[in-house]
Amino acid sequence: EPEVTQTPSHQVTQMGQEVILRCVPISNHLYFYWYRQILGQKVEFLVSFYNNEISEKSEIFDDQFSVERPDGSNFTLKIRSTKLEDSAMYFCASRPTEDTEAFFGQGTRLTVV
Amino acid sequence: AQKVTQAQTEISVVEKEDVTLDCVYETRDTTYYLFWYKQPPSGELVFLIRRNSFDEQNEISGRYSWNFQKSTSSFNFTITASQVVDSAVYFCALLNNAGNMLTFGGGTRLMVKP
Repeated sequence: EPEVTQTPSHQVTQMGQEVILRCVPISNHLYFYWYRQILGQKVEFLVSFYNNEISEKSEIFDDQFSVERPDGSNFTLKIRSTKLEDSAMYFCASRPTEDTEAFFGQGTRLTVV
Repeated sequence: AQKVTQAQTEISVVEKEDVTLDCVYETRDTTYYLFWYKQPPSGELVFLIRRNSFDEQNEISGRYSWNFQKSTSSFNFTITASQVVDSAVYFCALLNNAGNMLTFGGGTRLMVKP
């Protein structure tokens, strides 16, 4: 069964460094999302991506963040100059059409030290 | 802006009890989609059910059932005869008509004790 794949599963980075979280959505899906979940808290929307551009973004998604779909298969989230409070689980999701459920990856746990 | 509220942050039941998880939502869209996801201790988000705003028919799937009441903007989830394996955090979520904003509620942590 097709699934959303995220790499790495766990990333540790020094404060101030840049990280790139990678996601391979399910083939032929059209809508892509990034979410963040700080440990034990709610799942927070970061950004949605459709037709090769950002469709919607939250207040959290400021200039520190960017997304790309560089090669038609990968969907990346870049976090520049990481802060301690960026430590969280980051989930990627994709959907085939506008009226279907989102399929989530297993998440990348980012730890900023 | 849309919003999903799960007033129960934590529920504890004994195995075989029935339990209902509440979800209330706010949206300006006339067409929207509601979901329930399960997050077990392993951390992944597992899709359980989708309901379109124009389909108020309630659904039963095994021990799970869902009650969608558009008049009260609620989409409640009931587990019948709960089991220890049902222990998880359950999230209700709302997708807008444009499909570009999927908003989660705060989640309800369900603990089922043997």
